[in-house]
Amino acid sequence: GESVGLHLPTLSVQEGDNSIINCAYSNSASDYFIWYKQESGKGPQFIIDIRSNMDKRQGQRVTVLLNKTVKHLSLQIAATQPGDSAVYFCAEKYSSASKIIFGSGTRLSIRP
Amino acid sequence: DTGVSQDPRHKITKRGQNVTFRCDPISEHNRLYWYRQTLGQGPEFLTYFQNEAQLEKSRLLSDRFSAERPKGSFSTLEIQRTEQGDSAMYLCASSLGREGDEQFFGPGTRLTVL
Repeated sequence: GESVGLHLPTLSVQEGDNSIINCAYSNSASDYFIWYKQESGKGPQFIIDIRSNMDKRQGQRVTVLLNKTVKHLSLQIAATQPGDSAVYFCAEKYSSASKIIFGSGTRLSIRP
Repeated sequence: DTGVSQDPRHKITKRGQNVTFRCDPISEHNRLYWYRQTLGQGPEFLTYFQNEAQLEKSRLLSDRFSAERPKGSFSTLEIQRTEQGDSAMYLCASSLGREGDEQFFGPGTRLTVL
């Protein structure tokens, strides 16, 4: 079946430290894995995605790692800032379909 | 602001009433999607359009729900005979329609059914 899940519902990080948010998936047929950020009162905002034939992709202050052997996805945020406080969703997408399947989210809070 | 707008932002209605939401996608985007999000959960896919054609509907979209995109631009989502279980955030997203492209989400319409 289709399933995208997250290990922890909440994560608290000291400002300036790196954050790592983890996600497990079960469907090996997904072609894209995506991370979204959702702030209170807003819709999800695309952060970064990675194709299933890649292991790592870097963006501005973010890195996504994909381990297909153990079906694990992670989002690393460097030098976490107060503006990074949000709920983060991992999601998957099939290249032949348009719908996105979201996981249940991890709330990231930043300690000053 | 992603460029996708939704109206209204909030809607409170009584059980049994009909409600209609509107989504205006980014102008050059061919695809438009509707999702529903309940508290503490990720968004769940409802349906999507390629231009004016509705190409896929989720099993979540009961016969009380209907979506249209008559001219291939804005879309409406109507819920008839609302139930308390319909209370959720209804999100609209749009994309260019190329394989794998990014979906841009609107701010959502929060529906509360009393």
